[in-house]
Amino acid sequence: DADVTQTPRNRITKTGKRIMLECSQTKGHDRMYWYRQDPGLGLQLIYYSFDVKDINKGEISDGYSVSRQAQAKFSLSLESAIPNQTALYFCATSGGQGVTDTQYFGPGTRLTVL
Amino acid sequence: RKEVEQDPGPFNVPEGATVAFNCTYSNSASQSFFWYRQDCRKEPKLLMSVYSSGNEDGRFTAQLNRASQYISLLIRDSKLSDSATYLCVVNGRGNQGGKLIFGQGTELSVKP
Repeated sequence: DADVTQTPRNRITKTGKRIMLECSQTKGHDRMYWYRQDPGLGLQLIYYSFDVKDINKGEISDGYSVSRQAQAKFSLSLESAIPNQTALYFCATSGGQGVTDTQYFGPGTRLTVL
Repeated sequence: RKEVEQDPGPFNVPEGATVAFNCTYSNSASQSFFWYRQDCRKEPKLLMSVYSSGNEDGRFTAQLNRASQYISLLIRDSKLSDSATYLCVVNGRGNQGGKLIFGQGTELSVKP
């Protein structure tokens, strides 16, 4: 079984709809992250969480919210989806070794907002 | 200016060629540096960390020049399976120690 899983893997929705993307991990890591990737651009950090009680905004948090339900679960919500949120979304985890932290990514969710 | 900038791609090389990717970063306080590999819009995976003394892993060699804020990746004897996008990644320090800043990626295509 994959260590980091994301659901759904693909989603097509309409403008204005509320969408939730879910991420689960079995690596026992405290740190979790949400990124989006657009063609020709690097991954951009949306939100990150260093433990269950810690939530931090990333570079592009506007229009997104997150919930860290447990150590193993970190959900990303789009309250009212808009077309420019069409992108590939990745969840990642890390074990928190400090500056040498390696991040492990889920398989991604391809979201299309019409 | 972007925090992490990479060579624009794509790089198209024949099998067996040596190819080098360059990357610059803007935050002089950055302490950790990585190369990740991403295949066909799949998830990025760590290829190798980059140390100040330089490090090698088989056909791959990574170099770091802190004074110039420059990172490189050299691939020798390219294989078809090396075709992918290579992401230069930089880590912050202190409270941002867990945050990674990604370059836009450089695409490599190795041809027979």
